[in-house]
Amino acid sequence: GEDVEQSLFLSVREGDSSVINCTYTDSSSTYLYWYKQEPGAGLQLLTYIFSNMDMKQDQRLTVLLNKKDKHLSLRIADTQTGDSAIYFCAERKGSASKIIFGSGTRLSIRP
Amino acid sequence: NAGVMQNPRHLVRRRGQEARLRCSPMKGHSHVYWYRQLPEEGLKFMVYLQKENIIDESGMPKERFSAEFPKEGPSILRIQQVVRGDSAAYFCASSPTENYGYTFGSGTRLTVV
Repeated sequence: GEDVEQSLFLSVREGDSSVINCTYTDSSSTYLYWYKQEPGAGLQLLTYIFSNMDMKQDQRLTVLLNKKDKHLSLRIADTQTGDSAIYFCAERKGSASKIIFGSGTRLSIRP
Repeated sequence: NAGVMQNPRHLVRRRGQEARLRCSPMKGHSHVYWYRQLPEEGLKFMVYLQKENIIDESGMPKERFSAEFPKEGPSILRIQQVVRGDSAAYFCASSPTENYGYTFGSGTRLTVV
């Protein structure tokens, strides 16, 4: 996903907050997504945000969108061992329907 | 609703053989997408299909790969004369409309020996 960039790894202590960052390049993107992939499994849609929004909160998840900088972040509050997974940022371009994925950030939890 | 069903979960093929990967979308979903995930990499778009139509195949290799989504039955991703570099996880996703988020299947892990 050369259009969507993420750091490859993030390690946090159990109970702390995790912040996963993503940058995208297409300002016409209308939807931005966060997916979670556990080992050996498919991708699970965690949350999404419309491009006309700045923030979306859903229980322990907070998505922040800075459209000017084309920067998207996912904050997981009170990170638990079950949050260990690969998190993919994705964008849907304005005029097409396919979703473009980043390379994923592998989140590991320290005790 | 059983979700997006892919089979087989694991597929082993010798070099030169054909691989056929099947995907049954969620009930009521008429849009199907195929993605490939190489080891330790993200998902790369391959093809987007609606019933009996290929809408976008910009991510499909020009040779050996084909996809279909017939009026009846599952979507099929077909890889002819497989090579070692085809070894990957192939994920199918479906959506009810083109503007909706995707629901992914659990993938087919293809190993070429």
